[in-house]
Amino acid sequence: AQTVTQSQPEMSVQEAETVTLSCTYDTSESNYYLFWYKQPPSRQMILVIRQEAYKQQNATENRFSVNFQKAAKSFSLKISDSQLGDTAMYFCAFMKQRGAQKLVFGQGTRLTINP
Amino acid sequence: EADIYQTPRYLVIGTGKKITLECSQTMGHDKMYWYQQDPGMELHLIHYSYGVNSTEKGDLSSESTVSRIRTEHFPLTLESARPSHTSQYLCASSPPPGTDSYNEQFFGPGTRLTVL
Repeated sequence: AQTVTQSQPEMSVQEAETVTLSCTYDTSESNYYLFWYKQPPSRQMILVIRQEAYKQQNATENRFSVNFQKAAKSFSLKISDSQLGDTAMYFCAFMKQRGAQKLVFGQGTRLTINP
Repeated sequence: EADIYQTPRYLVIGTGKKITLECSQTMGHDKMYWYQQDPGMELHLIHYSYGVNSTEKGDLSSESTVSRIRTEHFPLTLESARPSHTSQYLCASSPPPGTDSYNEQFFGPGTRLTVL
């Protein structure tokens, strides 16, 4: 079975700073997908960024980028120039490439951006 | 935001009542999912569906049941609600292979259920 671990329950930074959220996972699969989802207070969960395990290049979406270390089974999220709207719960998630498209989530990190 | 809807958004109900949480999506997605999320905690998959007349149990055991009679609709039912069912229930859907957002799951706003 796959497991996802987020070791930082809460983080807080000042607006415009850079913050990195950590995620590690455990799997015996060689092909899979990793995701970071954002759940703002009282709003819908949305996808932030996605990484295919077979791609060596780290995914980037505007201010969001990942550091994917396949051998170490590590998948951290970096948010640059943080904004107040980035305040949310962030969940790291794993999905096997084959079979049912089931997401396995980490425990989440509550990120607060302070003005 | 994604076109996936859940009703009711909030529900407070007494023990023993039968409840149905509604989930619908207008994107034509074939796969749909139900997750249970306790406050401040991770999501756990309780049910999923590959398409019409297809339902499977998820990784977390649940006393709820689901049905998929129409592509756009995936309701979840609790025959007899108990306080241990108090939680947030999130519905999600994902598009078929061949689309740009294949394997991305689009989430609804959730139903926060409280059983007294």
